[in-house]
Amino acid sequence: GENVEQHPSTLSVQEGDSAVIKCTYSDSASNYFPWYKQELGKGPQLIIDIRSNVGEKKDQRIAVTLNKTAKHFSLHITETQPEDSAVYFCAATSLQGLDSWGKLQFGAGTQVVVTP
Amino acid sequence: NAGVTQTPKFQVLKTGQSMTLQCAQDMNHNSMYWYRQDPGMGLRLIYYSASEGTTDKGEVPNGYNVSRLNKREFSLRLESAAPSQTSVYFCASSDEDRGQEFFGPGTRLTVL
Repeated sequence: GENVEQHPSTLSVQEGDSAVIKCTYSDSASNYFPWYKQELGKGPQLIIDIRSNVGEKKDQRIAVTLNKTAKHFSLHITETQPEDSAVYFCAATSLQGLDSWGKLQFGAGTQVVVTP
Repeated sequence: NAGVTQTPKFQVLKTGQSMTLQCAQDMNHNSMYWYRQDPGMGLRLIYYSASEGTTDKGEVPNGYNVSRLNKREFSLRLESAAPSQTSVYFCASSDEDRGQEFFGPGTRLTVL
């Protein structure tokens, strides 16, 4: 089955700097890679996702890149703000395989702290 | 649209007690999931239901049972709670066309 590793486990950045979180996956059949943000006391919320037919996707200050050959994908947050402080999870799944469809495999999470 | 709702928000049990966690979604999704979240371990899938009337085991199903009552509701039951089941439990549902999962607010369970 799929195995997703996420680094770093904690990340402290100064407000205005960039933050980068990296994930690797093991199953070459995986083709959907979402990123979730979890604020304290709440459930995870999707912030951006990417499919294997594209290499990069941007949404305002966040972007995700995917390297299928190396089986890794990254989340980039630019101009960080205190409200970006949260736990971020990457995940992977195959949207075509009958066995793994819809079952996300999550990374262990990254605690991001943005200091003013 | 309430999205995904879960009850209760908090629960304390004694070892050996039973309880059912309730989950409902109003997005007309076919698929629903139960996860547990423990520090440093991310989210681990307990059970899932790809459609009404079907359920399957996830990564950590031992000690749990589920019921997909109808398309909206998916419950998780602990028959005999153990301290190892102390965790935060999340229910989710998915839009299978896009793959996106929507999560509920969670239930924080402590087993003494």
